[in-house]
Amino acid sequence: TAGITQAPTSQILAAGRSMTLRCTQDMRHNAMYWYRQDLGLGLRLIHYSNTAGTTGKGEVPDGYSVSRANTDDFPLTLASAVPSQTSVYFCASSESGGASDTQYFGPGTRLTVL
Amino acid sequence: GQNIDQPTEMTATEGAIVQINCTYQTSGFNGLFWYQQHAGEAPTFLSYNVLDGLEEKGRFSSFLSRSKGYSYLLLKELQMKDSASYLCAVRNGDYKLSFGAGTTVTVRA
Repeated sequence: TAGITQAPTSQILAAGRSMTLRCTQDMRHNAMYWYRQDLGLGLRLIHYSNTAGTTGKGEVPDGYSVSRANTDDFPLTLASAVPSQTSVYFCASSESGGASDTQYFGPGTRLTVL
Repeated sequence: GQNIDQPTEMTATEGAIVQINCTYQTSGFNGLFWYQQHAGEAPTFLSYNVLDGLEEKGRFSSFLSRSKGYSYLLLKELQMKDSASYLCAVRNGDYKLSFGAGTTVTVRA
C-alpha cells in the first residue's frame, strides 16, 4: 500500500534557486497538509488544503506556495530558497479535516539550502 | 496563540513504564493526538482523546483532562523498539493541529 509518497527523499539546493517538493496520496483523502520539522520546534504547518481547488495558509507560510489541482497531488514550491528553509518537510493527508480526523504522514523530504 | 509543552527527553529500562506529560494552552480545543516518530521516519498515529479520561490501546494508554489542559501518554512493558520521539498535538478551534516539540524516549536494556 502506497499511502502518501513524497519526492525527492533529500535535496541540496543553492540559495536563490526554486524547487518543488512533490506529494501524492492514493487514499482519496480530501484534506492535505505541508509541515516543516526543525529540531526543538516540532512540526509547524506551512499550508493546507481542505479539498481540491482550495488552499490556506498555516503558521509559517512565507516563502512557500502550494496548489491543489486534483485530490491526489499537493506540491509545495519554494520560489527562491533561503538557508532558513533548511528543514525536513512532511506532507500529510486526512479524510476530511474535521475534528476527529487523523492525519497520516508521508516519509518526508530532507532539504538543505546552502 | 498555541503553547504545547512536553519534556525533551526521558530514559527508561526495558520492561518498565514511562509516562510522558503534555500541557497545552490553545485557541479552542477539538481533541488531542499522540504520534510516535522513529528517527528519520514519518510520525505515525498512536491515540486520540477528545473527552476527559483514559483511552487504552494495548501497551499504550492516553489520558486527557480538558479543565487542566493536560494529557499524558503511558507506555507499559517497554520494549527496545519503543525508543522514539513522541509528539503531542492539539487540534485547535480552526481544526488545525499544533504540535509540541516532542519527547525523545530512550529504552535501555
